[in-house]
Amino acid sequence: DADVTQTPRNRITKTGKRIMLECSQTKGHDRMYWYRQDPGLGLRLIYYSFDVKDINKGEISDGYSVSRQAQAKFSLSLESAIPNQTALYFCATTGTSAVIGTGELFFGEGSRLTVL
Amino acid sequence: SQQGEEDPQALSIQEGENATMNCSYKTSINNLQWYRQNSGRGLVHLILIRSNEREKHSGRLRVTLDTSKKSSSLLITASRAADTASYFCATGIQGAQKLVFGQGTRLTINP
Repeated sequence: DADVTQTPRNRITKTGKRIMLECSQTKGHDRMYWYRQDPGLGLRLIYYSFDVKDINKGEISDGYSVSRQAQAKFSLSLESAIPNQTALYFCATTGTSAVIGTGELFFGEGSRLTVL
Repeated sequence: SQQGEEDPQALSIQEGENATMNCSYKTSINNLQWYRQNSGRGLVHLILIRSNEREKHSGRLRVTLDTSKKSSSLLITASRAADTASYFCATGIQGAQKLVFGQGTRLTINP
């Protein structure tokens, strides 16, 4: 089984619908991240969480919300989807290191979202 | 503009040749990492270099870091068709505890 599992892998929805993307990890890591990937723009950080009680906005959080239900689960919601939220979404996780800062990220396989 | 900018955006070489990709960044970092992404798949970590390191090797990969120039390079030696992928640099921003990714270099290895 994968260390970081994202569901659904593919989703097509309509403008205005509420969508939830789910992520679970078996790495035992505290830190979890949601990134969005668009062609030519690389990965942009949406939200990140250092533990269940700690949620932080990334550079493109508008239109998104998150929930850290447990150490192993971090979900991303689009309250009212719009076409420019069509993208590939990645969840990632890492451990903590005071020495090197943010360490190696372990990524899920991605959730491809299309908003019509 | 992005913290990490990569050059070139696309690179096409013959199998067996070396491939070099560059990454420049703007702010102080704890570390710099390189990732690989096969088409439409999740990113896979390749190598991490700390801000106090200048060079690091892993198999056919060689990474250099020049903090005075705020730049890094990834060299893949003796390229193989299976190296065809997109490669991203990611900077661990000092004090921010997050990674910021560049736009990536799309590498094609021609058999």
